[in-house]
Amino acid sequence: QVQLQESGPGLVKPSETLSLTCSLSGASISTGGYYWNWIRQRPGKGLEWIGYIYYSGDTYYNPSLESRVTISADPSKTQFSLDLTSVTAADTAVYFCVRGLFGPHYFDFWGQGTLVTVSS
Amino acid sequence: SSELTQDPAVSVALGQTVTIRCQGDSLSNYYPSWYQQKSGQAPVVILFGKNNRPPGVPDRFSGSSPGNSATLTITGAQAEDEADYYCSSRETDGDRFLFGGGTKLTVL
Repeated sequence: QVQLQESGPGLVKPSETLSLTCSLSGASISTGGYYWNWIRQRPGKGLEWIGYIYYSGDTYYNPSLESRVTISADPSKTQFSLDLTSVTAADTAVYFCVRGLFGPHYFDFWGQGTLVTVSS
Repeated sequence: SSELTQDPAVSVALGQTVTIRCQGDSLSNYYPSWYQQKSGQAPVVILFGKNNRPPGVPDRFSGSSPGNSATLTITGAQAEDEADYYCSSRETDGDRFLFGGGTKLTVL
């Protein structure tokens, strides 16, 4: 069974970098056909796709966040990470790591989510 | 960039049929996927592709995607179907993804 688990600080100061890690079990990033996403949900709001990394190492980001986002994969291929720089209160959200499939596209396995609050 | 539009809220009487709509240019090129999110939980995929349900999703959930719109239909809504529903699609350029703003379903 595929499982994803987010980890990282629950509190980040404004202007600093938010860094989260997603640990996989029952799956590996090196398996083709899947892409590994970060998706967030601000309090009381809808889902916002942040970006993904593919097994090839290719990355794609939401244009609205692209200048501040980096998604990378651990060499072990069982973890991938999110870095979001220069955060503000608007980045306060529950962050989910999620596996996606191509052809047709859908997000099949989700982590439980982790709340990150941006506050001084 | 493109976007997906959903009605913010819909209600349905217990046992009746309800349709949740999603509209966007990207749907002309790509099938949507639909997610159910209950309070405090991670979303769960309930439909993808032309009209595919993952194992365990009741067959009262069905979908269609004519043109630049998509619909999720719940035939015989149950109390446990009360949740937020999100559509998602690839963006028109194919490399990025979108979510609709979500529809809050109330079962009366």
